[in-house]
Amino acid sequence: SQTIHQWPATLVQPVGSPLSLECTVEGTSNPNLYWYRQAAGRGLQLLFYSVGIGQISSEVPQNLSASRPQDRQFILSSKKLLLSDSGFYLCAWSVQRTAATNEKLFFGSGTQLSVL
Amino acid sequence: SQQGEEDPQALSIQEGENATMNCSYKTSINNLQWYRQNSGRGLVHLILIRSNEREKHSGRLRVTLDTSKKSSSLLITASRAADTASYFCATDYRGSTLGRLYFGRGTQLTVWP
Repeated sequence: SQTIHQWPATLVQPVGSPLSLECTVEGTSNPNLYWYRQAAGRGLQLLFYSVGIGQISSEVPQNLSASRPQDRQFILSSKKLLLSDSGFYLCAWSVQRTAATNEKLFFGSGTQLSVL
Repeated sequence: SQQGEEDPQALSIQEGENATMNCSYKTSINNLQWYRQNSGRGLVHLILIRSNEREKHSGRLRVTLDTSKKSSSLLITASRAADTASYFCATDYRGSTLGRLYFGRGTQLTVWP
């Protein structure tokens, strides 16, 4: 069966420090991968998605970047964190779509990032 | 904004009662999905209903879709304390790009024992 691992679960970082969040998927090949951010009491904002190794699409301009060095590994990074980067970060995967629809997402357990 | 909107924002009921949450959206969809999120955890997919479907069931869950009203409802029957969570609808709009599910802000459901 497929599983998704995301770590760390919580992270407290000072402003201006770097960030690296990692997500790996097991049990499937060539998944679509996503990074979402959830502000308190809000819906989910899509940050990045990837359809393959080295292929990253950014949804919103921001202080963050993403990389996909391996098929089932997705990394969210920042060189210098801002206070506004605080939030709950979620990694997700879906099967490669064969039609023009978005099918269900499988989410990791999330990382609560606090930038102080 | 294209995101769906859930209603109510919060719902508090007793165990055994039914819980109904609603979602309204803006334009034509391919499908609409419901997710559940326990506090501080990731989202879990509950059910997907396609634009040509009107009703789907999964265990104690019943989802309806009314494309003429651009709305969907999630019914949880015989609720349990373990159903306490936030519930989100996510819309896949027709012509959307990959990964572009629009999530609402969710309904916080509290089920009291």
